[in-house]
Amino acid sequence: AQKITQTQPGMFVQEKEAVTLDCTYDTSDPSYGLFWYKQPSSGEMIFLIYQGSYDQQNATEGRYSLNFQKARKSANLVISASQLGDSAMYFCAMRESFSSGSARQLTFGSGTQLTVLP
Amino acid sequence: EAGVAQSPRYKIIEKRQSVAFWCNPISGHATLYWYQQILGQGPKLLIQFQNNGVVDDSQLPKDRFSAERLKGVDSTLKIQPAKLEDSAVYLCASSSGLVNEQFFGPGTRLTVL
Repeated sequence: AQKITQTQPGMFVQEKEAVTLDCTYDTSDPSYGLFWYKQPSSGEMIFLIYQGSYDQQNATEGRYSLNFQKARKSANLVISASQLGDSAMYFCAMRESFSSGSARQLTFGSGTQLTVLP
Repeated sequence: EAGVAQSPRYKIIEKRQSVAFWCNPISGHATLYWYQQILGQGPKLLIQFQNNGVVDDSQLPKDRFSAERLKGVDSTLKIQPAKLEDSAVYLCASSSGLVNEQFFGPGTRLTVL
């Protein structure tokens, strides 16, 4: 089974509007971390936001927020007030056994291509 | 703070040739990762180093791929011989091992003809 599922290959949003990018995950590990990365056309992966499985509150970083619904195993990224520079590929990723303290591997979804329209 | 450096940025080779990629992680980062990202997919981990030791290489095709991290700093990933399906972007990332995020380099885009 896929560990990370991103069901939206492409999304369009009007500039200054909010957009939600979906991500569902599958794990039996009680301790895990969820990440969102942005990959512009230049190719570099840029870290956006992180949510730990034991975090009580949804993570926020500026215009990015993570809508974490643990029971549904979803970790959707919300971008508020979209900007033209937000056009990029967005990847959801998970790292299991996070509490071990060691740096373990990330498992990535297939990504969502976001296009912000002027 | 300087980011993760990778070279070359682009490489075109013919199948059965050899190729090597270089990565210099962020200073002080003990953990280094090599990922393969095929067009239209998310990155897939090939190998993870902690200092100069291998932590995970379960997804590395060891018959043709090799990697080393001498002295626990920079790293080299080699493919020998290359196949058409090796065409991908090869991303290097590093982390301190104690914080959450991995920092990625710009990647090397490999085309195998």
